[in-house]
Amino acid sequence: EVQLVQSGAEVKKPGESLKISCKGSGYSFTTYWIAWVRQMPGKGLEWMGILYPGDSDTRYSPSFQGQVTISADKSISTAYLQWASLKASDTAMYYCARAPTSVSNPSYMDVWGKGTTVTVSS
Amino acid sequence: DIVMTQSPDSLAVSLGERATINCKSSQSVLYRTNNENYLAWYQQKPGQPPKLLIYWASTRESGVPDRFSGSGSGTDFTLTISSLQAEDVAVYYCQHYYSSPFTFGPGTKVDI
Repeated sequence: EVQLVQSGAEVKKPGESLKISCKGSGYSFTTYWIAWVRQMPGKGLEWMGILYPGDSDTRYSPSFQGQVTISADKSISTAYLQWASLKASDTAMYYCARAPTSVSNPSYMDVWGKGTTVTVSS
Repeated sequence: DIVMTQSPDSLAVSLGERATINCKSSQSVLYRTNNENYLAWYQQKPGQPPKLLIYWASTRESGVPDRFSGSGSGTDFTLTISSLQAEDVAVYYCQHYYSSPFTFGPGTKVDI
């Protein structure tokens, strides 16, 4: 079964760092892109960025560039989303999702993780 | 960046009736190289992650009931639920994947 398993809920204080994970299984991790999507409480979906584990090609939304870092360790089929210094406004649900390649670029997101809730509060 | 808009914001449909959701992109998402529209539709039920329904604007994902269909090309797209069922109550999002960033529409809430 193809699945993405995300790390558990986090409660952090402003200014702290954080790294959440997304482990792929049941498919070739290095031949599909992994995207990260934010959903703030009661709001819609925001595409943050995407990474190709095969060669670490990474693309960020301008809204999130410099605010987060997307990475992966293909030896353990795991992608990461990290913050160096959290803000209260980072409080949200974060989803990872798999995206097939089309004409050497990422495409639609066909498999989603269940999400990681991040709460940032003093 | 390509901006995605959806209409209506919400709609209420009787069981068994048709629901139609519109999505518009600020520029064409039709890729001439392969003549595909880089547009997907997702369904999100409360407390659940999004689920892919439609990709390439009109290709139904495996396992998705055939009452869901997608149409359109270029900048204007439609998701149709031909006969609404109780389990279709959800928020529906369109998203382009033509060029980074792959933005979502604001969502359309469908109720009974």
